[in-house]
Amino acid sequence: DVKVTQSSRYLVKRTGEKVFLECVQDMDHENMFWYRQDPGLGLRLIYFSYDVKMKEKGDIPEGYSVSREKKERFSLILESASTNQTSMYLCASSSFREVGEKLFFGSGTQLSVL
Amino acid sequence: AQTVTQSQPEMSVQEAETVTLSCTYDTSENNYYLFWYKQPPSRQMILVIRQEAYKQQNATENRFSVNFQKAAKSFSLKISDSQLGDTAMYFCAFMKHGPFGNEKLTFGTGTRLTIIP
Repeated sequence: DVKVTQSSRYLVKRTGEKVFLECVQDMDHENMFWYRQDPGLGLRLIYFSYDVKMKEKGDIPEGYSVSREKKERFSLILESASTNQTSMYLCASSSFREVGEKLFFGSGTQLSVL
Repeated sequence: AQTVTQSQPEMSVQEAETVTLSCTYDTSENNYYLFWYKQPPSRQMILVIRQEAYKQQNATENRFSVNFQKAAKSFSLKISDSQLGDTAMYFCAFMKHGPFGNEKLTFGTGTRLTIIP
């Protein structure tokens, strides 16, 4: 079974802290994604990557950055956490080549910024 | 840019009944895929069903089926003989297949479905 693993299920941080959310997939997928999920807003794309060392901005990249040094790992970085970044963060991966391939999701990190 | 609209924030239905969740989308693309994902309280996103835009036949997966109206840009999900385990958030999603491969998924805002015993 494909596995997408997010390092933390729950995380509590202070305003101004630098926060790292880690995501690892074991299917040799080219594509990796970070989404943010908020009630009433659905899932919104923060950043995505089609290859190692490559990144593209999604719909809401402000206040975030990403790193993809290895194919299996995609990190989301909050340089200076703010209370409006309190949210559920979902990582996903997929094949770039398999036409119409679904996304495989991690089980999410609920981040609270106090 | 693509947009996906789910106009029903919440729905509830009695167990064993049939329920239909609505989804509309806006795109100028011709080659794309549509998905319904389910998110139960465990938070794990689970693929329910997938539809290729070039196929006229509606996709079905056991009790789940879609009504895909390409001209109207509508993609509704029908759940027959609903079960308590169907209680979840349901998200409609759109994915363009570009010249180099699969691209990002754009999601709707979700419908919270509750199955009443």
